Amino acid sequence: GENVEQHPSTLSVQEGDSAVIKCTYSDSASNYFPWYKQELGKRPQLIIDIRSNVGEKKDQRIAVTLNKTAKHFSLHITETQPEDSAVYFCAASKGYSTLTFGKGTMLLVSP
Amino acid sequence: DARVTQTPRDKVTEMGQEVTMRCQPILGHNTVFWYRQTMMQGLELLAYFRNRAPLDDSGMPKDRFSAEMPDATLATLKIQPSEPRDSAVYFCASGLDGGSDQPQHFGDGTRLSIL
Repeated sequence: GENVEQHPSTLSVQEGDSAVIKCTYSDSASNYFPWYKQELGKRPQLIIDIRSNVGEKKDQRIAVTLNKTAKHFSLHITETQPEDSAVYFCAASKGYSTLTFGKGTMLLVSP
Repeated sequence: DARVTQTPRDKVTEMGQEVTMRCQPILGHNTVFWYRQTMMQGLELLAYFRNRAPLDDSGMPKDRFSAEMPDATLATLKIQPSEPRDSAVYFCASGLDGGSDQPQHFGDGTRLSIL
């Protein structure tokens, strides 16, 4: 089955810096890659997703890049703010299969 | 803003008791997922329904867990008998199974504590 590795497990940045979270996947047939943000005690919320026919997608301060050859995808957050502090999960799926999640990255943005 | 609704939000009970968690998927969504989240294991898929039919429950301990969809607006996850190791946050998510890239939308979860 699919295996998704995510790193780093924790990431501390200063407000205004950029943050990058990376994930690798094992199944070359995977074609959908969402990212979820989970604040403490809250539900995971979809923040951005990318499909395998696209190499990059941006939405304001967040962007995701996908390298199908290397089987990795990354989340980029620019101009970080304290409210970006949360746990971020990457995931991968193919066809009608279920999502396989990474273990999560705890992002801490210090003022 | 349509949301997945889960009840109860919190549940504390003694081991051996039956626990029932409920989920109302977003109206029109035809896929429902149950996840368990713990610090050690992260997000684990327990069960997956499409059009109310169970498709994958390989992640669920069959001897004590059961998942059903009595109708399109209700999914249930039951634990009987419950054990302390079942303590976790249980999330329900729903989506549209129109292809390979339909996002899942999560409910607020049920925080379960088994004493």
